Amino acid sequence: GQQLNQSPQSMFIQEGEDVSMNCTSSSIFNTWLWYKQDPGEGPVLLIALYKAGELTSNGRLTAQFGITRKDSFLNISASIPSDVGIYFCAGQLWDDKLIFGTGTRLQVFP
Amino acid sequence: DTGVSQNPRHKITKRGQNVTFRCDPISEHNRLYWYRQTLGQGPEFLTYFQNEAQLEKSRLLSDRFSAERPKGSFSTLEIQRTEQGDSAMYLCASRPRQGKRYEQYFGPGTRLTVT
Repeated sequence: GQQLNQSPQSMFIQEGEDVSMNCTSSSIFNTWLWYKQDPGEGPVLLIALYKAGELTSNGRLTAQFGITRKDSFLNISASIPSDVGIYFCAGQLWDDKLIFGTGTRLQVFP
Repeated sequence: DTGVSQNPRHKITKRGQNVTFRCDPISEHNRLYWYRQTLGQGPEFLTYFQNEAQLEKSRLLSDRFSAERPKGSFSTLEIQRTEQGDSAMYLCASRPRQGKRYEQYFGPGTRLTVT
C-alpha cells in the first residue's frame, strides 16, 4: 500500500535538544495529522492541520502544513525522556482514510 | 469520554484457524476504521464504516477477511483460514459525527501472531 516518506528514519538526541522531522508526498492532501506510537500501543493523535501554510502548536510540539499541500513538518522543543517513541505523519484527502508515513523513531538520552 | 477499545489485545493462533477481533468506538462516533500495521511500517487502511454501512474496502482486504458493524456501534473483523502473513497489529479508529474535523482516534490494537 501507499506510504508517505518520512525523514529522518531515526534520531538519537540528548535531553533538552530540539527535534525536527518531516513528511513528503507525491499527492496533495487536505488534512495532515501527526501521531505518536509507543511499543505495543495504538497511535495517539498529537496535532491536526487543516489549511495550507497553517502552523499549530500543542505544548512543546509545533507542526506546519506545507504550502504545496504535499508536505508537513513537526518540531519538538526541549525534548524530554517521555518523548521517546515513533512519530507518524498521516495525510488525508477530504473525509477519507489516512495514508501514513514510514515513521521517525526518536530516542532521547538523559 | 472513554477511548476506543479493542479485544483481545493479543491473539496467537495456528495457521488455518479463524479469528475474530472486536472494536468498540468512542460513543457517538459514526465512522469506524480498520487498519493493519506490520513491524516497522505505518498503519495501512483496510476498511471503514459509516454507521452500519461498509463504504470502502482496501485491496489489502482479501476474501478471507470480513468486517461487520451490525448496529452501527461496535465492529468485528474476522480472518478465516489464517496465514503467517496475517501476523500484524490490527488497529481500529473512530471519528466524530459532527463538524469538519476529520481526526481519527485509535484504539490500543490487537496483535495477531499466526504460528
